[in-house]
Amino acid sequence: SQKIEQNSEALNIQEGKTATLTCNYTNYSPAYLQWYRQDPGRGPVFLLLIRENEKEKRKERLKVTFDTTLKQSLFHITASQPADSATYLCALDIKGNTDKLIFGTGTRLQVFP
Amino acid sequence: EAGVAQSPRYKIIEKRQSVAFWCNPISGHATLYWYQQILGQGPKLLIQFQNNGVVDDSQLPKDRFSAERLKGVDSTLKIQPAKLEDSAVYLCASSLTTKQFFGPGTRLTVL
Repeated sequence: SQKIEQNSEALNIQEGKTATLTCNYTNYSPAYLQWYRQDPGRGPVFLLLIRENEKEKRKERLKVTFDTTLKQSLFHITASQPADSATYLCALDIKGNTDKLIFGTGTRLQVFP
Repeated sequence: EAGVAQSPRYKIIEKRQSVAFWCNPISGHATLYWYQQILGQGPKLLIQFQNNGVVDDSQLPKDRFSAERLKGVDSTLKIQPAKLEDSAVYLCASSLTTKQFFGPGTRLTVL
C-alpha cells in the first residue's frame, strides 16, 4: 500500500538547537516534495519545495534534503526558536493528469526556551 | 494580496442535517482544492477544480458530498446528510503553479 510516514511523536528541542524532521514514503514516485507549516486553528503555509533531481534546498534557517533512493526527505530548522513551534507537514506532489498533493500526518515541533 | 477566504469558521450540526461551506480563492488562481483534515491527520484531498471543471474527485464520498465552482471563482462544498465521522476541518486551497495557498478552514462538529 502507499504510505507517507512522519514522526508520529512530538519533537521537543531546546532553543538554538537544530530540529530534524523525517518524511518517509513507500510506493510513490513524486516529482516534487513540499513542506508546509501548520499552526493551531490555521491552514497550512507553504515553506519549501524540492524536485526529484535536487538533493538539497535551503531557505534562511530551513534546509530540506530529498533522497529518492531511500524514499526519504529530511527537514532541518537550524538555530530553532520558540516561534518555530508548530506542526510540519510533508506532501508528495504526484504528477499525473493533475497536480496532486498527498500529505503526511505531520510532526508537531515544540521549541522550548 | 488577499488570501483564501472561507466561511463559516465554525459549524455545529446534528447528524443527518446538511451543511455548506464557501471558499473564495486568491484572485487569478485557476486551481481550487477542498481538503478534509481529521484531528491528528494530514489534509486529505476531496476534490480539485481547474477553473470550473472537476479534475479529481476520486476521494469525494459522492453519496453525501457535493461541490461546485461556478464561473471558475468561488466554490461551495456541501454535505447532505452529515454523519458523525464527517467531524473535521474542511480546508480550501488555491494555486497558480505548484505551491498551494490555504484558507483558515471551517471546523465542523457533527453531534
